[in-house]
Amino acid sequence: AQSVTQPDIHITVSEGASLELRCNYSYGATPYLFWYVQSPGQGLQLLLKYFSGDTLVQGIKGFEAEFKRSQSSFNLRKPSVHWSDAAEYFCAVCPYNAGNMLTFGGGTRLMVKP
Amino acid sequence: NAGVTQTPKFQVLKTGQSMTLQCAQDMNHNSMYWYRQDPGMGLRLIYYSASEGTTDKGEVPNGYNVSRLNKREFSLRLESAAPSQTSVYFCATLRGQGKSEAFFGQGTRLTVV
Repeated sequence: AQSVTQPDIHITVSEGASLELRCNYSYGATPYLFWYVQSPGQGLQLLLKYFSGDTLVQGIKGFEAEFKRSQSSFNLRKPSVHWSDAAEYFCAVCPYNAGNMLTFGGGTRLMVKP
Repeated sequence: NAGVTQTPKFQVLKTGQSMTLQCAQDMNHNSMYWYRQDPGMGLRLIYYSASEGTTDKGEVPNGYNVSRLNKREFSLRLESAAPSQTSVYFCATLRGQGKSEAFFGQGTRLTVV
């Protein structure tokens, strides 16, 4: 079955430490891939997206993500986390040529220790 | 420039009551979506409309109906509300193909008692 999975429900990192949030997908062909962030009580904001080409994509707020076809993964990274990065992060996929069905993973809640 | 507007923002229903959640966008986007967000479950797709005149089921359509009234408006109806439908509901839009950025409303917090 087609799915997108975020294995980590909660992650806590210290401010200034590096961060990696995992995302795995299961689709016949590589879908369009996205990371969104949701701050408390807010809607979702796009961080970055991948369609094709360079497998390392840069986004807003210093985030980047790496697409690995062999692992069906699209992990989000940040070299140095700031307290303001505390939020919930969602990986999302939209299958290519499948009517724009945009599906989200279960989310990872990031907490940042001072 | 309002973007994506959802009404109401908050609602409390009794079990068995019906209601319609409204979503309107002024972005001239083709695709519109309804999601529900529950703790630990992420955003789950209820229904979506890839273009005016079409609607399709998502992951969790049972208990819901939708209407794509025109290009701007996409409503979600609960015919007989159940406590399991207590959730935060988000409407979203997408301009064109699936590689576009999605834009979200501020959400509707629904409680069914």
